[in-house]
Amino acid sequence: GQQLNQSPQSMFIQEGEDVSMNCTSSSIFNTWLWYKQDPGEGPVLLIALYKAGELTSNGRLTAQFGITRKDSFLNISASIPSDVGIYFCAGQWNNDMRFGAGTRLTVKP
Amino acid sequence: EAQVTQNPRYLITVTGKKLTVTCSQNMNHEYMSWYRQDPGLGLRQIYYSMNVEVTDKGDVPEGYKVSRKEKRNFPLILESPSPNQTSLYFCASSLGSTSGETQYFGPGTRLLVL
Repeated sequence: GQQLNQSPQSMFIQEGEDVSMNCTSSSIFNTWLWYKQDPGEGPVLLIALYKAGELTSNGRLTAQFGITRKDSFLNISASIPSDVGIYFCAGQWNNDMRFGAGTRLTVKP
Repeated sequence: EAQVTQNPRYLITVTGKKLTVTCSQNMNHEYMSWYRQDPGLGLRQIYYSMNVEVTDKGDVPEGYKVSRKEKRNFPLILESPSPNQTSLYFCASSLGSTSGETQYFGPGTRLLVL
């Protein structure tokens, strides 16, 4: 089945820097979701987006639902060491949920 | 505490030996699903269930079976495991199956098939 194209695959940044990652698809979705996975754990939902064009924040995280409904981005501002982990985007259309391959984020103190 | 639990967390087995990974949720959720996670591929859905006795194939159902006899439990069955089923497996549940229902993930089961 079709997966989402998530980029970048990995990022190495300095503490305090801003981070941006995005997902694109050839299919439209009516919900975009961003998850974070810590080592040894299951993914945890960070932000859910329900409407094309929607921009939503959760603390230092900001995500947008692309106007074409085929893409989304996640920004993290002023990164801190505990931001380390793998970030996944997911697009949902009714019962069908597709995940990106993940962006592995490393933050150097 | 609201949660999704999976057992076992780690399992090493041999080719052909049937195994079951259990999944249980205590949130009275209708929708449950199983995913496998492989490097570079993200999470791929194996099977999902919209309610008791209602199950359907996801993207990668070959080699797997599921059952949903009770609302809270959704076991994943590998009748004859093969090495290509070595993976990290996640169970997830949500209140419903429509868009916008937040899925809650279990802690994962790491399976190695020799």
